[in-house]
Amino acid sequence: NAGVMQNPRHLVRRRGQEARLRCSPMKGHSHVYWYRQLPEEGLKFMVYLQKENIIDESGMPKERFSAEFPKEGPSILRIQQVVRGDSAAYFCASSSGQGYGYTFGSGTRLTVV
Amino acid sequence: TQLLEQSPQFLSIQEGENLTVYCNSSSVFSSLQWYRQEPGEGPVLLVTVVTGGEVKKLKRLTFQFGDARKDSSLHITAAQPGDTGLYLCAGVLLGANNLFFGTGTRLTVIP
Repeated sequence: NAGVMQNPRHLVRRRGQEARLRCSPMKGHSHVYWYRQLPEEGLKFMVYLQKENIIDESGMPKERFSAEFPKEGPSILRIQQVVRGDSAAYFCASSSGQGYGYTFGSGTRLTVV
Repeated sequence: TQLLEQSPQFLSIQEGENLTVYCNSSSVFSSLQWYRQEPGEGPVLLVTVVTGGEVKKLKRLTFQFGDARKDSSLHITAAQPGDTGLYLCAGVLLGANNLFFGTGTRLTVIP
């Protein structure tokens, strides 16, 4: 297992389009977390999911953003009607449980033009 | 308002020098982790500390968790250019579900 896999690595969208970011956790990890990082800033928590359940979405903007982690397949972070301010690096992490160290993917760099 | 404040924000030192990075909060954490992030990549876990006063060593890196579990420090001995990167502390609040990250310390070690 190569670890947490995120794709695409780079994504360019025009304002108003939809962005879909995918994350496959490490084998055996059932906890998935999404973070956003702006240039020269730390990581901001967005959402924490387990299979088919959203556990904590307190960091997600109330509009246009949604996340899922279906029973089969990767976790998806979806941003509808993207705006320039959505441009950032989006990182996914997985863990085997709460309190354990996170394994991060290489991120998806979203650019909205 | 940042939950975890790191200092210094930027640090540039010569190879062979020692340095300490601090991570402070007014909140109590059930555990605290340190990560290093290279440009264009995701953070990589260095260590997890869970007990107040705990000290962990990883080769030339020494991590300490404060007695009250509100702060932590990372000390690097004889820094090398390979230590260059963004160092992030991150903590799980008591009773919380997720990891909050600090503001980061960008370290540059000059050969």
